[in-house]
Amino acid sequence: DGGITQSPKYLFRKEGQNVTLSCEQNLNHDAMYWYRQDPGQGLRLIYYSQIVNDFQKGDIAEGYSVSREKKESFPLTVTSAQKNPTAFYLCASRISGGPTNTQYFGPGTRLTVL
Amino acid sequence: AQSVTQLGSHVSVSEGALVLLRCNYSSSVPPYLFWYVQYPNQGLQLLLKYTTGATLVKGINGFEAEFKKSETSFHLTKPSAHMSDAAEYFCAVSEVPGGGADGLTFGKGTHLIIQP
Repeated sequence: DGGITQSPKYLFRKEGQNVTLSCEQNLNHDAMYWYRQDPGQGLRLIYYSQIVNDFQKGDIAEGYSVSREKKESFPLTVTSAQKNPTAFYLCASRISGGPTNTQYFGPGTRLTVL
Repeated sequence: AQSVTQLGSHVSVSEGALVLLRCNYSSSVPPYLFWYVQYPNQGLQLLLKYTTGATLVKGINGFEAEFKKSETSFHLTKPSAHMSDAAEYFCAVSEVPGGGADGLTFGKGTHLIIQP
């Protein structure tokens, strides 16, 4: 089945540690996105990538880093510089171009800082 | 800059009653509008979207929404609520197809509660 997978589903981190969240898609989509979701806040864009080896900061990029070495993969690293990393993280992808292309979302990773 | 306002963080309706979730947007250009649904601890699933053309858009699970440019609204409705409709609903706007370079701008969400 085609889709977006995120792993792990739950992740616990000690303060001061960096952690990496995985996002893989087999939809042959060009663009990929990372969003952060907090209760009552909706989703906010962290980073996005339109093509391999290129990515751009979103609204809340501080304390996060990404890479896009392969079309299928867009991992997100939450660094120790992120002061409040506990949240639900969602990855999305879409085909670039066209008038009706839609973002499709993965199942999410819930990160908790202990 | 674009923005989305969802009126009511929680909406409660009885099973079988009309569901109405409100969404107002601001955009400097003709918008692309989306409604997504999220069940607990899951990702977002697209319910419906408006791009161009017919302003009444039908989606999955019996939901529909109407784009009203004069009111800058895109309210979501369903004639008869089912228990399975209980979830979080997000309205989103984009000024380019599919969210383009800047992603989608989301409202803060409305938690739909279905009373038996």
